[in-house]
Amino acid sequence: NAGVMQNPRHLVRRRGQEARLRCSPMKGHSHVYWYRQLPEEGLKFMVYLQKENIIDESGMPKERFSAEFPKEGPSILRIQQVVRGDSAAYFCASSPVGLADEQYFGPGTRLTVT
Amino acid sequence: AQTVTQSQPEMSVQEAETVTLSCTYDTSENNYYLFWYKQPPSRQMILVIRQEAYKQQNATENRFSVNFQKAAKSFSLKISDSQLGDTAMYFCAFIPNFGNEKLTFGTGTRLTIIP
Repeated sequence: NAGVMQNPRHLVRRRGQEARLRCSPMKGHSHVYWYRQLPEEGLKFMVYLQKENIIDESGMPKERFSAEFPKEGPSILRIQQVVRGDSAAYFCASSPVGLADEQYFGPGTRLTVT
Repeated sequence: AQTVTQSQPEMSVQEAETVTLSCTYDTSENNYYLFWYKQPPSRQMILVIRQEAYKQQNATENRFSVNFQKAAKSFSLKISDSQLGDTAMYFCAFIPNFGNEKLTFGTGTRLTIIP
């Protein structure tokens, strides 16, 4: 049973470009969470999605950031017009339905904005 | 809103010794889970141990154990017989138990095991 997959593992973008981060949850998991870890900090919640629905985006910056989890395919975190402050590690976690205590983390995507 | 506080940014201990990492939290919920995650240099988040708030017995996983004090809202991690592979960032995290919810993390403690 494959774990949570994230790609790419490392992504370099110039300021103003777009970044797309992908997350494939564990098999049978229909809930996806995105967290951001700035350098030397803990993980901060960004958004929680179920298939085709955004449930909680209270941690998402209001501009330039968006997320989706389509019926088919991985969840996508999209950052438009990246700035240096977006440089961070972005982690995806998935969980099965109705279980509050089981979130399985992917290996993260390290975004570097030059 | 929940908050998680880790007051020790860095700690170091000699190999084979015991070390305790501190964590306090604030919540109005009565039913929740607490976790310790390990993040080695690879950056992978690894679940070390978890505690259900309704359980009075402290969780134990091999060399890792917790001291859960619900009234004091304290959740410390004890690592016995520390090994070089324990060198990592350690994050305390909280999640309320009412369905799928987000984790709230502390700022982490960087633990170094000295050979």
